[in-house]
Amino acid sequence: EDQVTQSPEALRLQEGESSSLNCSYTVSGLRGLFWYRQDPGKGPEFLFTLYSAGEEKEKERLKATLTKKESFLHITAPKPEDSATYLCAVQARTGANSKLTFGKGITLSVRP
Amino acid sequence: DAGVTQSPTHLIKTRGQQVTLRCSPKSGHDTVSWYQQALGQGPQFIFQYYEEEERQRGNFPDRFSGHQFPNYSSELNVNALLLGDSALYLCASSSDQTGGLDHTQYFGPGTRLTVL
Repeated sequence: EDQVTQSPEALRLQEGESSSLNCSYTVSGLRGLFWYRQDPGKGPEFLFTLYSAGEEKEKERLKATLTKKESFLHITAPKPEDSATYLCAVQARTGANSKLTFGKGITLSVRP
Repeated sequence: DAGVTQSPTHLIKTRGQQVTLRCSPKSGHDTVSWYQQALGQGPQFIFQYYEEEERQRGNFPDRFSGHQFPNYSSELNVNALLLGDSALYLCASSSDQTGGLDHTQYFGPGTRLTVL
């Protein structure tokens, strides 16, 4: 069974204080690993897809990396508007366009 | 270009009642997946529809059923509601027409269901 574990559960940062969010996973053949951002009461907003170990993607202050067992979401010089829950999900290679298996998410709070 | 839309936004029902939630996929997408997200948890996969048929199903009872229409929109039906069905219900759309490369799922805003 596919599993995703995210840590820490919650993270409080000062504005400008860089940090990393961790996503550990086990999956029967990885098709893709996805990062989403979710604001309270809203649907997840797509951030990145990573397909193979060693791959990296960047968007503004965010950078996602992937190894064979985990992914990191690095946040550089965060701002209060980066406060949200960050979700990691994996998609297995079994069948076409298969389901996403999510972790519980990491709640990030950035203080001004 | 409209993204994924869902209706209604909020819904309050009592135990034992039935509910129908609706989803319109992003333009160009043909696959719809439904997820249930309890408070403080990640989304849990309910089922996926493609070509008007249920293609994959998660660990949810038969009280949860769905349908996909020829225009790719979808409905989620839940019968005999329980208190534990209270959650945010998310619809996600994706495309099977990318040659097996990109199956990114894009989510709608969700429907908040409260069962009293």
